Amino acid sequence: KNQVEQSPQSLIILEGKNCTLQCNYTVSPFSNLRWYKQDTGRGPVSLTIMTFSENTKSNGRYTATLDADTKQSSLHITASQLSDSASYICVVSSFSGGYNKLIFGAGTRLAVHP
Amino acid sequence: GAVVSQHPSRVICKSGTSVKIECRSLDFQATTMFWYRQFPKQSLMLMATSNEGSKATYEQGVEKDKFLINHASLTLSTLTVTSAHPEDSSFYICSARSYSSGNSYNEQFFGPGTRLTVL
Repeated sequence: KNQVEQSPQSLIILEGKNCTLQCNYTVSPFSNLRWYKQDTGRGPVSLTIMTFSENTKSNGRYTATLDADTKQSSLHITASQLSDSASYICVVSSFSGGYNKLIFGAGTRLAVHP
Repeated sequence: GAVVSQHPSRVICKSGTSVKIECRSLDFQATTMFWYRQFPKQSLMLMATSNEGSKATYEQGVEKDKFLINHASLTLSTLTVTSAHPEDSSFYICSARSYSSGNSYNEQFFGPGTRLTVL
């Protein structure tokens, strides 16, 4: 069964600190892995997209890693800001039957406190 | 670029009425649009996939007669919740995808969502 699991479920950190969010997946066939940021009451916004051949990709203070062998990904946030408070969703894309399907993780709710 | 809008952002309706939600791709042509539903503290759940000019494909458990989807143009898809009930109250999000040389990751771009409350 295709699944995407994220940990932790929620996280509280102080402003300026770093944090790492984890994503494990069992999706086949694998097309790419995406990290999205979703503010409360808003739609998801793409942070990074990686194919199996990409090990790391950065977008400002966000750095995602991918280990296609162990089927694990992480999202590292550096020097957190209050505006980083949001849900971070790991999504794996699987191309099968002629179309692309997205399998969503449940997300990690991050709260950055002053 | 790649902006998707939704209208309205919030809607409150009485039980038994119908509500239409619009999803527009503002700066690209969307060959495929997706409709998701998200309950509080849960992730997005795909409801249906629509390709321009053809009937939508619904996920298992989603009633096609209750959630009417129309994708009449390459920039507009609509979701109509018919005979709405309180349990239909949710956050509805659309996304759009275009097949182009610039979209090598087959990326979907999400709208800002519509909060539906059925009284």
